[in-house]
Amino acid sequence: QKEVEQDPGPLSVPEGAIVSLNCTYSNSAFQYFMWYRQYSRKGPELLMYTYSSGNKEDGRFTAQVDKSSKYISLFIRDSQPSDSATYLCAYWYSSASKIIFGSGTRLSIRP
Amino acid sequence: KAGVTQTPRYLIKTRGQQVTLSCSPISGHRSVSWYQQTPGQGLQFLFEYFSETQRNKGNFPGRFSGRQFSNSRSEMNVSTLELGDSALYLCASKGTGDTGELFFGEGSRLTVL
Repeated sequence: QKEVEQDPGPLSVPEGAIVSLNCTYSNSAFQYFMWYRQYSRKGPELLMYTYSSGNKEDGRFTAQVDKSSKYISLFIRDSQPSDSATYLCAYWYSSASKIIFGSGTRLSIRP
Repeated sequence: KAGVTQTPRYLIKTRGQQVTLSCSPISGHRSVSWYQQTPGQGLQFLFEYFSETQRNKGNFPGRFSGRQFSNSRSEMNVSTLELGDSALYLCASKGTGDTGELFFGEGSRLTVL
């Protein structure tokens, strides 16, 4: 079993739609949860990170963590074509000083 | 503030050759990590250096190696290249703090023929 499971997509939605991206994880030791965004031919960039269960909002983006279910989500409101990218859920494995990434979901927002 | 710089951006090698990739981290960042990204395996951790010392290593064969210099610049080397080594190699630097916020370069895309 992979430590992080993420639906690879691709996911295509019309502009303005609400997008929901999801991941599950298996290791209860994970503490920091992150979403990275990767545009084509670019390196990943940190979009959001959270430590605790619950919701964290940043503009049109909301990260949700449910530690009891080992489930994290990213919601994008009023999606824009510029949001078209691959979204990677990730976990900071502090003791090993490394990030464990999900496989990434490729998202396309249609104008 | 300049970002993470990786060179070369693209390169083509043949099986059996070796390759060296370079990474300049963000000024002031002492931690440099390397990741391999492929369509099949996604992003996988190779190794992490801090103050010229390798602190952690991923599950890759010994053909993959790296080093870090006193100015925090890092290189990674892959010897005896195999077709499966074709990938995007990403370098990331990290500041202080334990939150997992890495700043990635644009990567070096290696094609092995």
